[in-house]
Amino acid sequence: KQEVTQIPAALSVPEGENLVLNCSFTDSAIYNLQWFRQDPGKGLTSLLLIQSSQREQTSGRLNASLDKSSGRSTLYIAASQPGDSATYLCAVETSGSRLTFGEGTQLTVNP
Amino acid sequence: EAQVTQNPRYLITVTGKKLTVTCSQNMNHEYMSWYRQDPGLGLRQIYYSMNVEVTDKGDVPEGYKVSRKEKRNFPLILESPSPNQTSLYFCASSGTVVGGDNEQFFGPGTRLTVL
Repeated sequence: KQEVTQIPAALSVPEGENLVLNCSFTDSAIYNLQWFRQDPGKGLTSLLLIQSSQREQTSGRLNASLDKSSGRSTLYIAASQPGDSATYLCAVETSGSRLTFGEGTQLTVNP
Repeated sequence: EAQVTQNPRYLITVTGKKLTVTCSQNMNHEYMSWYRQDPGLGLRQIYYSMNVEVTDKGDVPEGYKVSRKEKRNFPLILESPSPNQTSLYFCASSGTVVGGDNEQFFGPGTRLTVL
């Protein structure tokens, strides 16, 4: 059974700092890995999707990497801002629409 | 605008009173899913559907039913709700091409309280 772990569970940083969020998964037979952002009481917003054949994806200040063989992904956020404060979730897809989520990293960026 | 909609957004009900949460997407997606999110347990998949009339159980299907009679709609049915089904529910859709390398789009969530 696929298990997804995110470390750290919570992170507090000063504005402007670069940071890395980690995601690991136990079964490397995945179709893709997706990073989401969730604001309190709200839905999930997709940030980046990395297909199994890719090594990384970039969108603005965000960069996500994938090492499928070792079961790891990282989300790098450059020059963090208070508006980046949210919970970040990673999820792996192992078959059509079968997603397994990590529990998330709660990020606080302090002005 | 491409979106996944859910209704109602908030619902308070009593044990045993049947309810349906609707989900609709306008992106012609094949895949649709339902998740529940609970503190300390994260997001867990309840049911998913790969196309019209094709559904399968996720990780926590007990106490729930689904149907997929039309491509755009995927309602979640609680025949006899119980307090342990109090949760935040999300519907999601993905994919216009069979294969799995598709971005997931989530609805805004339905907060259900069963008394």
